[in-house]
Amino acid sequence: EAAVTQSPRNKVAVTGGKVTLSCNQTNNHNNMYWYRQDTGHGLRLIHYSYGAGSTEKGDIPDGYKASRPSQENFSLILELATPSQTSVYFCASGEGLGYRSSYEQYFGPGTRLTVL
Amino acid sequence: GDSVTQTEGLVTLTEGLPVMLNCTYQSTYSPFLFWYVQHLNEAPKLLLKSFTDNKRPEHQGFHATLHKSSSSFHLQKSSAQLSDSALYYCALSRNSNNRIFFGDGTQLVVKP
Repeated sequence: EAAVTQSPRNKVAVTGGKVTLSCNQTNNHNNMYWYRQDTGHGLRLIHYSYGAGSTEKGDIPDGYKASRPSQENFSLILELATPSQTSVYFCASGEGLGYRSSYEQYFGPGTRLTVL
Repeated sequence: GDSVTQTEGLVTLTEGLPVMLNCTYQSTYSPFLFWYVQHLNEAPKLLLKSFTDNKRPEHQGFHATLHKSSSSFHLQKSSAQLSDSALYYCALSRNSNNRIFFGDGTQLVVKP
């Protein structure tokens, strides 16, 4: 069974503070993703990565940075948190390109972030 | 660009009635289509995906047929169960990149 874990599961932060959300996967997948989920907007891609050392901007990258120090770990960093970043954040991993790739993504349990 | 449209934000129906959730897409390429399901306070997970050989994918009583002529991949089930209440996402991926594009989701509520 695919395994993606996230920490913390819940976080309350103050406006202007720095927040780091962590994600770990044991699937040995090349690709990892960060999404936020808001009612009415579905899952929106923030940043993604093709492998260790790489990060790519998704559809809503402003106000977020990402870091992929290893195959297993992918972090999302909010340098100056704002109330508009209050949301549920999901990390996911997936196989890379290739004939046998299923293109499926495996999601972590989510982190509920509240910025006051 | 690639996009997915789910026209219904909320679908409410009575247990035992058929389910149909709409999904249409736009893509320059021939994409793979998916349905993901998310139950309350859980992570999204794959429900089913399209096949390259036009077979109809089925899982847990749900099925979907990819119609390239109408760019649709509607999700269907013959008889809704209370446990089907969840948020359903239609999504697409094309084999030239590593991304999945999600629709906005349809909340399905099944009542007794």
